[in-house]
Amino acid sequence: EPEVTQTPSHQVTQMGQEVILRCVPISNHLYFYWYRQILGQKVEFLVSFYNNEISEKSEIFDDQFSVERPDGSNFTLKIRSTKLEDSAMYFCASSYGTTRSPLHFGNGTRLTVT
Amino acid sequence: DAKTTQPNSMESNEEEPVHLPCNHSTISGTDYIHWYRQLPSQGPEYVIHGLTSNVNNRMASLAIAEDRKSSTLILHRATLRDAAVYYCILSGLFYGGSQGNLIFGKGTKLSVKP
Repeated sequence: EPEVTQTPSHQVTQMGQEVILRCVPISNHLYFYWYRQILGQKVEFLVSFYNNEISEKSEIFDDQFSVERPDGSNFTLKIRSTKLEDSAMYFCASSYGTTRSPLHFGNGTRLTVT
Repeated sequence: DAKTTQPNSMESNEEEPVHLPCNHSTISGTDYIHWYRQLPSQGPEYVIHGLTSNVNNRMASLAIAEDRKSSTLILHRATLRDAAVYYCILSGLFYGGSQGNLIFGKGTKLSVKP
């Protein structure tokens, strides 16, 4: 069964550094998402992306975050200047795109900001 | 935002059926009921969704009350691998945009005893 893959599985960075989290969504999916989960807390929506632009974003997704689909297969989340509070699991997801399509999630990248 | 209420935790014995309840008294006519689960150290995994009628798939069954104010996820024979946090989420219809802004609550932590 096709799956969403994320790399790296664990990223350690210093405060103020830029990080790029990478995702390969399922190939025929049209909608792409990033969620995050701070340790012990709820899964939170960050952003959705369709047709090469952001469809919706949450209040968490401020100017330090950006997303990009640089080619036909990758979907990236960039955090420009990381803060300690950005430490979390970041999950990429994709869906075919109808309103009833389930989201398929990757297993996440654990980001640790020191 | 449409909200759901679930018990914090439930226990089951292996090989026995499990009924996971969810209350959603403020559901609107266009809200779908989705269930996802999150196994330890993994991303959320789609389980099932429905609108009005009961639904079955290879993973589970979804029983929706006639007034749609509650639903029950049914695992017919629990296995140790079913130990996870189960999330009941309402998702509205979107037109021309993303339907992927899922609002995760705390879910129900299901423990399965051998």
